[in-house]
Amino acid sequence: EAGVAQSPRYKIIEKRQSVAFWCNPISGHATLYWYQQILGQGPKLLIQFQNNGVVDDSQLPKDRFSAERLKGVDSTLKIQPAKLEDSAVYLCASGREDSYEQYFGPGTRLTVT
Amino acid sequence: DAKTTQPNSMESNEEEPVHLPCNHSTISGTDYIHWYRQLPSQGPEYVIHGLTSNVNNRMASLAIAEDRKSSTLILHRATLRDAAVYYCILRDMEYGNKLVFGAGTILRVKS
Repeated sequence: EAGVAQSPRYKIIEKRQSVAFWCNPISGHATLYWYQQILGQGPKLLIQFQNNGVVDDSQLPKDRFSAERLKGVDSTLKIQPAKLEDSAVYLCASGREDSYEQYFGPGTRLTVT
Repeated sequence: DAKTTQPNSMESNEEEPVHLPCNHSTISGTDYIHWYRQLPSQGPEYVIHGLTSNVNNRMASLAIAEDRKSSTLILHRATLRDAAVYYCILRDMEYGNKLVFGAGTILRVKS
């Protein structure tokens, strides 16, 4: 089966600009996650969707970050405006509703200058 | 979230077994022990998980201490492709599938 797809793979923006990341999960996976991974650290969960509803967004900086999952399939994560500390890899993962296992995409590396 | 403690890095020779330790002294009865690994420039991938008993799969073995306060991921014959960051994670079954990653252990494999 095809894996989790993410685009773009790399993005460089200036601070205060906006950026959006796209994720296409594995077909049939009800759960979708967005993680932020800062260099040298493990991934940190930003938001979890179950179908098109939000399950957990407790660590999403809602003043600048937003995410949506229309129709319970693809998802976008947006940052507006970006700060220098947002430089990180943004990982998308998906999983079946009845399973603990998460399948990760390759990530989008964001550099904010 | 229950915490785990892992060594920052470990080194192994190719073709030899590797034992990656993880301490989780505050583990609760509803916590599963999961291991994921992250190869360079890739997202993490599932390796193995267990609750109380030792587990084996095609990738690795998981040995869980009797008191469940520690566990060890065993790679039976390390290859260069096993060089990665290995994460030991506790997942509380009462909170669904949420994973809280630590910094993990960087495994270097020498040829």
